Amino acid sequence: NAGVMQNPRHLVRRRGQEARLRCSPMKGHSHVYWYRQLPEEGLKFMVYLQKENIIDESGMPKERFSAEFPKEGPSILRIQQVVRGDSAAYFCASSPRQGSISGNTIYFGEGSWLTVV
Amino acid sequence: KNEVEQSPQNLTAQEGEFITINCSYSVGISALHWLQQHPGGGIVSLFMLSSGKKKHGRLIATINIQEKHSSLHITASHPRDSAVYICAAPRDTGNQFYFGTGTSLTVIP
Repeated sequence: NAGVMQNPRHLVRRRGQEARLRCSPMKGHSHVYWYRQLPEEGLKFMVYLQKENIIDESGMPKERFSAEFPKEGPSILRIQQVVRGDSAAYFCASSPRQGSISGNTIYFGEGSWLTVV
Repeated sequence: KNEVEQSPQNLTAQEGEFITINCSYSVGISALHWLQQHPGGGIVSLFMLSSGKKKHGRLIATINIQEKHSSLHITASHPRDSAVYICAAPRDTGNQFYFGTGTSLTVIP
């Protein structure tokens, strides 16, 4: 049973290009979370999605960032017109049910490192 | 002030030492997570606990909900334990976490 799969692991983009990060949750998980870890900073929540729905995007920057989790296929975090400040590690996590209030363990992917040059 | 505070920020230990990392939080939660991030960056969930104590191998996690405090202990530390340890408290909706800033542990042979 594969864990949360993220790709690419490393991505280099020039300023102004688009970055697409993919996340396949664990089998049977329908809840996906994206987190960003800026250099020398802690993890920050970005967005929470269920299949075909964005449930909470309160941590997403207002512009250039979008996320989706289609009925088929992986969740995608898309960053348009990247800037140097977007350079960070982006982590995806999945759970079988909402959040962890009821005690669900959340499983993390290994992260995607975006470098904007 | 962060909702989740960890201490120490950095910790260097000799192989074999007993290690304690502390986490205090100011929000009301029903469970707390301990995560491990290795050099190279992947994150692994070590524990999710809502009361008492949990043990996994040489790792022990305790939580006191009333005092809003949790500790992660590593017995007989080993260089392969070198990592960043992060405590995370779920927000009330359960969709997000408050993350501590992490404790960077280096275990020297």
